[in-house]
Amino acid sequence: DQQVKQNSPSLSVQEGRISILNCDYTNSMFDYFLWYKKYPAEGPTFLISISSIKDKNEDGRFTVFLNKSAKHLSLHIVPSQPGDSAVYFCADYRFYNNNDMRFGAGTRLTVKP
Amino acid sequence: DAGVIQSPRHEVTEMGQEVTLRCKPISGHNSLFWYRQTMMRGLELLIYFNNNVPIDDSGMPEDRFSAKMPNASFSTLKIQPSEPRDSAVYFCASSLRDDTEAFFGQGTRLTVV
Repeated sequence: DQQVKQNSPSLSVQEGRISILNCDYTNSMFDYFLWYKKYPAEGPTFLISISSIKDKNEDGRFTVFLNKSAKHLSLHIVPSQPGDSAVYFCADYRFYNNNDMRFGAGTRLTVKP
Repeated sequence: DAGVIQSPRHEVTEMGQEVTLRCKPISGHNSLFWYRQTMMRGLELLIYFNNNVPIDDSGMPEDRFSAKMPNASFSTLKIQPSEPRDSAVYFCASSLRDDTEAFFGQGTRLTVV
């Protein structure tokens, strides 16, 4: 059973607009949620994280929102740029469970000029 | 530091052959993760090690897969015998125990024909 779900395999957005990437989870026993970005032929790179005790974390154009009651988090990119086109993975991270991480299947974001 | 180093970058092999993927984590990192990425299932955690000890291998698909970490600076993922459905990109990542961020290698693209 997938513990972390990204139900939208792809998303297309116009440059300058907001991109919203969603992630749902089933296991509430996590310490952080992480977002990774992956370009073709490269390894995933860390983008932004959010602690389980917070509901928002912002870093430049990237903001992650955590709704624990709905077991849902989202990544907002404002404004979107063509260089943001990549596959985005969310992952839950449990520090006290020996650094266990579980990834979603990813969402491919395409930002059109 | 050069980051997480994986070898080879590309591997093409015939069905039934043994395949060994290699990973050198970042020096000083205590946790090492092996992932597999496919179009169908996204990024899957196969196994992870803490201080060279395998902690959770529940993601390893079957007995044909095995992973070892003989020391803190080297890990292998072996598939024997390989099958066409093993074709995927395999990522290795490492992290400090008390750090939320995992650093990924560039991956090994495995094609089994």
